[in-house]
Amino acid sequence: AQSVTQLDSHVSVSEGTPVLLRCNYSSSYSPSLFWYVQHPNKGLQLLLKYTSAATLVKGINGFEAEFKKSETSFHLTKPSAHMSDAAEYFCVVSERAGNMLTFGGGTRLMVKP
Amino acid sequence: EAQVTQNPRYLITVTGKKLTVTCSQNMNHEYMSWYRQDPGLGLRQIYYSMNVEVTDKGDVPEGYKVSRKEKRNFPLILESPSPNQTSLYFCASSLLDNEQFFGPGTRLTVL
Repeated sequence: AQSVTQLDSHVSVSEGTPVLLRCNYSSSYSPSLFWYVQHPNKGLQLLLKYTSAATLVKGINGFEAEFKKSETSFHLTKPSAHMSDAAEYFCVVSERAGNMLTFGGGTRLMVKP
Repeated sequence: EAQVTQNPRYLITVTGKKLTVTCSQNMNHEYMSWYRQDPGLGLRQIYYSMNVEVTDKGDVPEGYKVSRKEKRNFPLILESPSPNQTSLYFCASSLLDNEQFFGPGTRLTVL
């Protein structure tokens, strides 16, 4: 069985400072991992995905994530937060045919001016 | 424009009154799925479909039905809604083994 734990339900940073959103997963097989972002009153948008190629994955809007198998982690980072990054972020794992997704509980990112 | 559409976007109803939320995609995707989103729980899968006439239960199927008569449509049916089905619902579609594209969401309130 697969599961995802997002270690922080809320993260607050100042504009221009680094962002770190933490995600740990468990999976019986080699998983695919995703980060999705949800802006207020919007649907979900794919930020980036890991599918067993390079362990450092670059996504849109300057975000990146590193797959660490030994730590079963897939943390999302960005060097410098922007006000427009304020949103909810979901870490997602898939181990069955790439379509059966299990979501973490979400991390709400707040960016202070 | 490639997209997943859902209707209605907002719905307030009463306990026991049957309702249907429609989902349509124009990307010729085989895979479609329904999720519900509740605070602190992320998204949980209700039902999914690998292709026309092929549907299966997700993690929280109780109280819901689906059908897949055409490739582009995947309606979600609540035969007898209850207050615990008040939630934000998302439809998604994808090619098999590929990233999922999500609709804009339907906010349902059952009184």
